[in-house]
Amino acid sequence: DQQVKQNSPSLSVQEGRISILNCDYTNSMFDYFLWYKKYPAEGPTFLISISSIKDKNEDGRFTVFLNKSAKHLSLHIVPSQPGDSAVYFCAASVGNDMRFGAGTRLTVKP
Amino acid sequence: NAGVTQTPKFRVLKTGQSMTLLCAQDMNHEYMYWYRQDPGMGLRLIHYSVGEGTTAKGEVPDGYNVSRLKKQNFLLGLESAAPSQTSVYFCALGQSQETQYFGPGTRLLVL
Repeated sequence: DQQVKQNSPSLSVQEGRISILNCDYTNSMFDYFLWYKKYPAEGPTFLISISSIKDKNEDGRFTVFLNKSAKHLSLHIVPSQPGDSAVYFCAASVGNDMRFGAGTRLTVKP
Repeated sequence: NAGVTQTPKFRVLKTGQSMTLLCAQDMNHEYMYWYRQDPGMGLRLIHYSVGEGTTAKGEVPDGYNVSRLKKQNFLLGLESAAPSQTSVYFCALGQSQETQYFGPGTRLLVL
């Protein structure tokens, strides 16, 4: 069963605009959520995380929002840059059990 | 991916052959993980280790074995490879359940 879902396989955004990537989860026991970025032929790179006790975490151009009642998190990138073009994975964990979504391919057009 | 290396980068196996994937770190992290990534499925945890001499099963452990004899190394073994094990394998490490640092990946093709 897929406990973490990213329902949009791809997203295309104009440079300078906001990118919003979404993620839904089903397991209410998850207590830590992360976003990773992945370029082709490389391993995923940690981007930003949020604990279940918070509803927002911001780091520069990246902000993650957590809505526990809806079991939904989102990643906002403002402003989007061409270098942000990559596959973005959301992940949720409890203990050592970390589950990943299938990823969303973001393309930022100049 | 600095500090995490994976060997080999690419391998082709015939069904039934065995092989070992090596993950090595120089970051002194306690936790090490093996994932596989398949199209449309994200990354799935195979096995993990919370310290030297310890291993535990993840989400998809069947067909794999692991060993962590030294803190720096985490080995993933396939005793009898099957085509369903064709995948990209990523090693990751960390200090807790939180942020994980991933290696560059090993691409495995089983014919």
